[in-house]
Amino acid sequence: DAKTTQPPSMDCAEGRAANLPCNHSTISGNEYVYWYRQIHSQGPQYIIHGLKNNETNEMASLIITEDRKSSTLILPHATLRDTAVYYCIAYPNTGKLIFGQGTTLQVKP
Amino acid sequence: NAGVMQNPRHLVRRRGQEARLRCSPMKGHSHVYWYRQLPEEGLKFMVYLQKENIIDESGMPKERFSAEFPKEGPSILRIQQVVRGDSAAYFCASSPVGADTQYFGPGTRLTVL
Repeated sequence: DAKTTQPPSMDCAEGRAANLPCNHSTISGNEYVYWYRQIHSQGPQYIIHGLKNNETNEMASLIITEDRKSSTLILPHATLRDTAVYYCIAYPNTGKLIFGQGTTLQVKP
Repeated sequence: NAGVMQNPRHLVRRRGQEARLRCSPMKGHSHVYWYRQLPEEGLKFMVYLQKENIIDESGMPKERFSAEFPKEGPSILRIQQVVRGDSAAYFCASSPVGADTQYFGPGTRLTVL
């Protein structure tokens, strides 16, 4: 499974867009890019996923570069409740999600 | 549509006792996954089950740990003769079909005294 690299922490002002980067330079063609988040010690929450095309849902947008070596998760209007650890995962649909250390996003008032 | 349910939410056991953690998947989901999160550490995959079958148990400790997902009823993660190092949060996830998007439950926090 491809390894992903994320910055350990980021800050974002409330109401502004939060852009969380992820590098996955060794991703293979059958691996999806998945994003989850974990708020405090709750269960991980699914956010969004994509293979090649950019994706958008009610929570976020996912921008994947054309070469698929990196992606960006965008929370368009961050709120204090978006403070969490965000995980980017390259997932080959084998059933085993491999969580890294993620990015701790702190949304500040 | 109710989400993934786990119980108990908190479980306290003394060393040497058995711990049974239960997971009820979302309605219509027939695939269950268990993960463990040790204090101050990341989430680690343990096991992937389909009804009556273990698909991947590569993350399960070799001894004392077992998991099942019977035809009827919840999935059970069983830890025999617990030790202090088993203290962790155990999360269950489910998906409608194999290896699809996984939806997580709230977790069971196990404390071993």
